[in-house]
Amino acid sequence: EAGVTQFPSHSVIEKGQTVTLRCDPISGHDNLYWYRRVMGKEIKFLLHFVKESKQDESGMPNNRFLAERTGGTYSTLKVQPAELEDSGVYFCASSPDGWYNTGELFFGEGSRLTVL
Amino acid sequence: SQQGEEDPQALSIQEGENATMNCSYKTSINNLQWYRQNSGRGLVHLILIRSNEREKHSGRLRVTLDTSKKSSSLLITASRAADTASYFCATDGRFQGAQKLVFGQGTRLTINP
Repeated sequence: EAGVTQFPSHSVIEKGQTVTLRCDPISGHDNLYWYRRVMGKEIKFLLHFVKESKQDESGMPNNRFLAERTGGTYSTLKVQPAELEDSGVYFCASSPDGWYNTGELFFGEGSRLTVL
Repeated sequence: SQQGEEDPQALSIQEGENATMNCSYKTSINNLQWYRQNSGRGLVHLILIRSNEREKHSGRLRVTLDTSKKSSSLLITASRAADTASYFCATDGRFQGAQKLVFGQGTRLTINP
């Protein structure tokens, strides 16, 4: 069974440009999460989808970030326009319904974003 | 405010020794988890301990939780070179919602052959 996949693995862009990160969760997982780790800091929650609906987007830093999950399958995270402080690693994770009983989130390998 | 804080930030030991990492948190939790991240890879779930549990084992891993001190420890026994990685604790806060994990900054563990 395929795990959570993220694309691209690394993106280098200039300040002001736009980047779109994609996440394909494990098939059948209704819950999809985005987290990010800015250099030297802790991993922080960005938002949570249940199917196509945003359950919690309290961690989104500002309106330059837009996450979508059309059809409740894969998700995209767009940063527009990118700023220097957006550099970091963006992790996607998924979990099945009733995850609370298992507690485990399944993480992708992350998309490293470098804004120059 | 930061929830989980790992201690130490970096730990270097000889293969075969035991490694102990600590995590402290600030608010009430439902459960606490430990994750491992190998360099350049994703996070891998290791173990979860619920707020009403005090100790849990999984293979060479032993996790303790002291809710009165708001702290947890992860013990890796008989360490191996493959255990070299960063280890993160993550809490599922009672008042934060069950679906939002709060991570610490991690402990970088190096196992020397």
